[in-house]
Amino acid sequence: NAGVMQNPRHLVRRRGQEARLRCSPMKGHSHVYWYRQLPEEGLKFMVYLQKENIIDESGMPKERFSAEFPKEGPSILRIQQVVRGDSAAYFCASSRGLAGVVEQYFGPGTRLTVT
Amino acid sequence: AQSVAQPEDQVNVAEGNPLTVKCTYSVSGNPYLFWYVQYPNRGLQFLLKYITGDNLVKGSYGFEAEFNKSQTSFHLKKPSALVSDSALYFCAAGGGGNKLTFGTGTQLKVEL
Repeated sequence: NAGVMQNPRHLVRRRGQEARLRCSPMKGHSHVYWYRQLPEEGLKFMVYLQKENIIDESGMPKERFSAEFPKEGPSILRIQQVVRGDSAAYFCASSRGLAGVVEQYFGPGTRLTVT
Repeated sequence: AQSVAQPEDQVNVAEGNPLTVKCTYSVSGNPYLFWYVQYPNRGLQFLLKYITGDNLVKGSYGFEAEFNKSQTSFHLKKPSALVSDSALYFCAAGGGGNKLTFGTGTQLKVEL
């Protein structure tokens, strides 16, 4: 049973470019979460999605960031017009459908570097 | 708003000795508490969780954690540390809703 898959593992973008991060949840998981880890910090929640629905985006920056989890295919975290402050590790997690009581399983992360 | 505190940036322990990594939390309502471990350049691996029931929770790789409601703590423990336990450990809390709030992490270093 494959775990949570993320790609690419490393992504380098110049300021002003767009970054697209992909996440495929574990088999049987219908909930996806995105977290950001800045250097020397813990993970910060960004967004929680189910198929075709954003459930909680309270941690998403108001501008330039968007996320989707389409009916078919992986979840995508999109960052438009990247800035140096977007450099971080972005982790995706997935879980089964029970709210609040099940553990989330994390992917290996995408390390974004903005030059 | 919920919060998680890990007061120690780093914990050093000799192999074979018991280890404790501290965590305190602040949540409204019943807390859901988790411990994760992160190895360099890897994602987080789930260790254990507390939802309800026994205050002592047993998890993977010989780790356990003790939930203490009066002290709002959820310390991670292991009776005998291994060098391979050296990693970054995160405590997390979930309340109403699915998002987790993480502590800042504690670097555990187990030395021979």
